[in-house]
Amino acid sequence: QVTLRESGPALVKPRETLTLTCSFSGFSLTTRGMCLNWIRQAPGKALEWLALIDWADDKYYSRSLTTRLTISKDTSTNQVVLKMTNVDPADTGTYYCARICSLDSSSSYWGQGTLVTVSS
Amino acid sequence: SYELTQPSSVSVSPGQTARITCSGDFLTRKYVRWFRQKPGQAPILVIYKDTERPSGIPERFSGSKSGTTVTLTITGARLEDEADYYCFSAADTWLFGGGTKLTVL
Repeated sequence: QVTLRESGPALVKPRETLTLTCSFSGFSLTTRGMCLNWIRQAPGKALEWLALIDWADDKYYSRSLTTRLTISKDTSTNQVVLKMTNVDPADTGTYYCARICSLDSSSSYWGQGTLVTVSS
Repeated sequence: SYELTQPSSVSVSPGQTARITCSGDFLTRKYVRWFRQKPGQAPILVIYKDTERPSGIPERFSGSKSGTTVTLTITGARLEDEADYYCFSAADTWLFGGGTKLTVL
């Protein structure tokens, strides 16, 4: 059974670095074809894809946020970490981790999301 | 351009057919997934590989593609289908469409 759980601070100050952790079970990120994504949603807004890391440690980032994001994995603890630098109130929203690794597969697993507010 | 364009809203009466489109120049060579999201919940997959329906998704949900446009069709929409729907694909990176609010009333 695949489970994903996001964790991180509920409140972050502007210009700080946000660190989010996705803890997962039911699969390994050392298995060929596996990956994890970070996706966010500002209040009342659309879903926005942020980053992906795969089993080969390849990393992909949203073009608009690539300079501020770093994604990494720890296969020994089954965790994926997303760091976002220089946060702004516009970064407020719910952050999801999701296992979506291809468009031609029915596999789709999401965490419940974690709400992050950027405010001084 | 690397964008997926959806209508912001679609409204139908119960029992009618709802059609939600998603357009993108690269969709002729990329598959699309459709997600449904209800308030306060994580999205769930309703269509993948343009036209395929995951197990557990009702038959009234279907997908189609014509050129650079994919369409999610809900035949005989129900009140419980009211939600936000997002298309999802891959250009140079993964991306979502802007979302469509489906109202059934």
